[in-house]
Amino acid sequence: DAKTTQPTSMDCAEGRAANLPCNHSTISGNEYVYWYRQIHSQGPQYIIHGLKNNETNEMASLIITEDRKSSTLILPHATLRDTAVYYCIVRVGPNAGKSTFGDGTTLTVKP
Amino acid sequence: DAGVTQSPTHLIKTRGQHVTLRCSPISGHKSVSWYQQVLGQGPQFIFQYYEKEERGRGNFPDRFSARQFPNYSSELNVNALLLGDSALYLCASSLVRDQETQYFGPGTRLLVL
Repeated sequence: DAKTTQPTSMDCAEGRAANLPCNHSTISGNEYVYWYRQIHSQGPQYIIHGLKNNETNEMASLIITEDRKSSTLILPHATLRDTAVYYCIVRVGPNAGKSTFGDGTTLTVKP
Repeated sequence: DAGVTQSPTHLIKTRGQHVTLRCSPISGHKSVSWYQQVLGQGPQFIFQYYEKEERGRGNFPDRFSARQFPNYSSELNVNALLLGDSALYLCASSLVRDQETQYFGPGTRLLVL
């Protein structure tokens, strides 16, 4: 699986959009980008995934650059409950059950 | 419907002992994966089981073993515990092996003294 690089931490004001970047410059053509988040003391929660097209669901949007070397997870209206560690994972899909997580980005949403 | 459940929630053991952790997947899910999460780090893949067979193994020593039962529940066993085995052990389930999403349980927090 390709390696990912994420900032260690980010802050966001409540109600504003949170944009979390992820670099995956060595991604292969058959590798998917997955995003999970982990709220303190809970198991990780799946957010969204994509291959090459931008994706949107009820939780977030995923923007993947045309060269697929980076992506951005967008939480359109961050709330205090979105404070969590966000993990960007790249792996050959679709078997998510062998995912390897990095250290993620700690997002703190502030009032 | 119940999500992934794990037991026990917390456990304290001493070095050299062994431990068994249990996981019940979401009803209908046939694939179970185990992860170890050391404090301050992301989860690391240990095993994946599908239809009672091991389908993948991460970079963990042979002290770690697992199995899956006919009802798709699973056990993770760790022998000869070391201090470094102290971690949150997470179980995740998915409907089938090659599924894009997996759902995690709350984890078992193991402390080795």
